[in-house]
Amino acid sequence: NFMLTQPHSVSESPGKTVIISCTRSSGSIASDYVQWYQQRPGSAPTTLIYEDNQRPSGVPDRFSGSIDSSSNSASLTISGLRTEDEADYYCQSYERSNSWVFGGGTTLTVL
Amino acid sequence: EVQLVESGGGLVQPGRSLRLSCAASGFNFDDYAMHWVRQAPGKGLEWVSGISWNSGSIGYADSVKGRFTISRDNAKNSLYLQMNSLRAEDTAFYYCAKGKYQLLHYYFDYWGQGTLVTVSS
Repeated sequence: NFMLTQPHSVSESPGKTVIISCTRSSGSIASDYVQWYQQRPGSAPTTLIYEDNQRPSGVPDRFSGSIDSSSNSASLTISGLRTEDEADYYCQSYERSNSWVFGGGTTLTVL
Repeated sequence: EVQLVESGGGLVQPGRSLRLSCAASGFNFDDYAMHWVRQAPGKGLEWVSGISWNSGSIGYADSVKGRFTISRDNAKNSLYLQMNSLRAEDTAFYYCAKGKYQLLHYYFDYWGQGTLVTVSS
């Protein structure tokens, strides 16, 4: 079994760019796709990025995903920050044997 | 429009049972895997269980294995989670989530609004 480790919180100013990391503890980050989910306060999660870097229709291109094998991590980049981007962000990947792993979540504050 | 509506949550005593339901609409339910994901108050997301389109593949988190049972009724467009021997640490919002395709290893593309389960005496 592996874990996905995210920073507990990040903060940045409106209009800036923030990067949220998700580091896999064992096994290659490239061995299974990484997803990112956004959860605004009081709401259910929504899918933000799937299969490492794909955006569902309706998700602005300010949101992008990538993976880096050298650091064994995935990253969510949000550019042109807006106050509405304040939310919790979770990475997720598939654990072989029919189970899934979520990262602990990162709280983004836009101040 | 895809809709997932969970029900069945509530207050239950430790050791007792509860059955959650998720009513699906807006898509061909029997073509997709389905999952349950929970979130304890103020905590992160935890995958609980998943079931493939035809119930042929099922997975559980170690924390619920042997106590929870996932099932689906494709004729009723419904997903279920039977929760037995409930513990205080099972207290959480329980979300129903739709898989992108038939099998368990594809990502989740839609989520319900959740139902709250509180385990307390």
